[in-house]
Amino acid sequence: QSVLTQPPSVSAAPGQKVTISCSGSSSNIGNSYVSWYQQIPGTAPKLLIYDNNKRPSGIPDRFSGSKSGTSATLGITGLQTGDEADYYCGTWDSSLSAVVFGGGTKLTVL
Amino acid sequence: QVQLVESGGGVVQPGRSLRLSCAASAFTFRSYAMHWVRQAPGKGLEWVAVISYDGTNKYYGDSVKGRFTISRDNSKNTLYLQMNSLRAEDMAVYYCARDGGRYGGNSQVSMGYWGQGTLVTVSS
Repeated sequence: QSVLTQPPSVSAAPGQKVTISCSGSSSNIGNSYVSWYQQIPGTAPKLLIYDNNKRPSGIPDRFSGSKSGTSATLGITGLQTGDEADYYCGTWDSSLSAVVFGGGTKLTVL
Repeated sequence: QVQLVESGGGVVQPGRSLRLSCAASAFTFRSYAMHWVRQAPGKGLEWVAVISYDGTNKYYGDSVKGRFTISRDNSKNTLYLQMNSLRAEDMAVYYCARDGGRYGGNSQVSMGYWGQGTLVTVSS
């Protein structure tokens, strides 16, 4: 049971837009920045979004992040088959004094 | 470019110990906090531990607290994870990752660079 809650799976057609939610509480998302990671099976995770909505160099602007209260959302527009991967949200939990991740969301591009 | 290379994984019996290493290059290692994150087969990411840039602050996940120890040698640009009293549920790919800042254990944590991972198998 993860501290952060994500939907197990989402799907959409190529070219479409998808959003992935990440729900937490006041001790984590409510008081900390959220980051998002993409993991293509068999490879290491890759940082997509940090500080709620910032993109590292090299990450296309098709990827966006937002946060409201105790929830965060990853948005992906112009879906490509190469976007098929597992996506994780993460943040700091001040009550646990620990980094917490969501359970992950598998994105299928139909 | 930034490179993180883990080593030290392998097969170990339950109750035994193992030490993982993570060799860092192409960045100022002593300026960044570092994390260990693991992933059991077919499962999601599980954070293990973080150490601040100078080694003075360390935090651990509940599942490894008291059994694992994170440390670093800034003179060797190397991060370590000493794993004692290993259990079957510790079997996973272990990744080292660089934090975006000096401290890691704060509200602005993020992991911008990851190694390729090293597999730890716990089996009798």
